[in-house]
Amino acid sequence: ETGVTQTPRHLVMGMTNKKSLKCEQHLGHNAMYWYKQSAKKPLELMFVYNFKEQTENNSVPSRFSPECPNSSHLFLHLHTLQPEDSALYLCASSQEDTRVYEQYFGPGTRLTVT
Amino acid sequence: DAKTTQPNSMESNEEEPVHLPCNHSTISGTDYIHWYRQLPSQGPEYVIHGLTSNVNNRMASLAIAEDRKSSTLILHRATLRDAAVYYCILSQNYGGSQGNLIFGKGTKLSVKP
Repeated sequence: ETGVTQTPRHLVMGMTNKKSLKCEQHLGHNAMYWYKQSAKKPLELMFVYNFKEQTENNSVPSRFSPECPNSSHLFLHLHTLQPEDSALYLCASSQEDTRVYEQYFGPGTRLTVT
Repeated sequence: DAKTTQPNSMESNEEEPVHLPCNHSTISGTDYIHWYRQLPSQGPEYVIHGLTSNVNNRMASLAIAEDRKSSTLILHRATLRDAAVYYCILSQNYGGSQGNLIFGKGTKLSVKP
């Protein structure tokens, strides 16, 4: 238990569906991240939020839309996905203003796009 | 971005020490060396980090070469639960894009009973 929870843990969706992934951190951190982990590929950073402001968008397609309503919650809204978007989506959090830049990861959401 | 090179896989016997190497010949003076590991079906977890001096914590030790171009993560007594992918990552230790973690393929450690 890392203090970062993600729901759902597994999701199957069609290409025309709209769904959302949720991440919640109970650590009092002020930065949150979305990563994508595809089969046989390294983790890819998708989005970074610091103090609820989006500071990084690593050329992610617009069919992925992040939302950070407060420093404890992070969402990833999904619409019209492609089969190649099937992957493990990981959320992480960290405390931005400390010397130790340590990220805490959630267990991930396994997404399958059919 | 500074890059690291790690072996794709390593094997160890249970209760024996494990030395996981990492080369980072283009490391800059302000890069910290971070190690994370990812157990099967879980998200990555922080293991240890250092700048110049060797570091010890309850999970592992980090030995950093004097020229900082390589480092070694040491698990003193491997257990079956240590079987995971270990990532060596260089990162500036402050916020902003230079502080982001860029994961490579890591080293898959197998532990035999």
